[in-house]
Amino acid sequence: QAQLVESGGGLVKPGGSLRLSCAASGFSFSDSFMSWIRQAPGRGLELVSYISDSTNIIHYADSVKGRFTISRDNAKNSLYLQMNSLRAEDTAVYYCTNLASSSIDYWGQGTLVTVSS
Amino acid sequence: DVVMTQSPLSLPVTLGQPASISCTSSQSLVHTDGNTYLNWFQQRPGQSPRRLIYRVSNRDSGVPDRFSGSGSGTDFTLKISRVEAEDVGVYYCMQATHWPSLTFGGGTKVEIK
Repeated sequence: QAQLVESGGGLVKPGGSLRLSCAASGFSFSDSFMSWIRQAPGRGLELVSYISDSTNIIHYADSVKGRFTISRDNAKNSLYLQMNSLRAEDTAVYYCTNLASSSIDYWGQGTLVTVSS
Repeated sequence: DVVMTQSPLSLPVTLGQPASISCTSSQSLVHTDGNTYLNWFQQRPGQSPRRLIYRVSNRDSGVPDRFSGSGSGTDFTLKISRVEAEDVGVYYCMQATHWPSLTFGGGTKVEIK
């Protein structure tokens, strides 16, 4: 059974940094595109970033371009999101997901990032 | 980016009655490979989203058959034939035809009257 477990969320001041991690198991992580999707409090879903299995394809939403960096370690079945220069509008639950056949099969439980002074 | 517009925003439904959610895209979702990559997700209160429907009308394993998806081109519909209490939550459509930006609808909240 596929499982995605996010960690690394928390409270950070504006301008600060945070690194999210996602541990994957139960499916072929190294063959999968992976993504981060966020949901601001009481709001809808927004694709933040995704990365291909071999890391040669990376995409960022305009709202985070230049501030966030997605990466992965296939040997560790892990996905990461380095978030710098955080803003109040980055406050959200961040979900780790796979991307397969142009859809999403698996979602993690999410990790809450709160940007506030 | 392709804009996905859902309606209604909120949908109060009586238990046992049908419900219908509309999703409209700003561009056709027919891919050059002939497939239409339109998905539906359900998010129950306090839970992560889960997929119900992929490629317009294909129901995921374990999804009750009271859920059905239909549509083509730019107009799509998710129907619940008889709403049950466990169906309360927010429903999102998502297009994955037009990369790199995969986009979601704004969500439709289904609640019991």
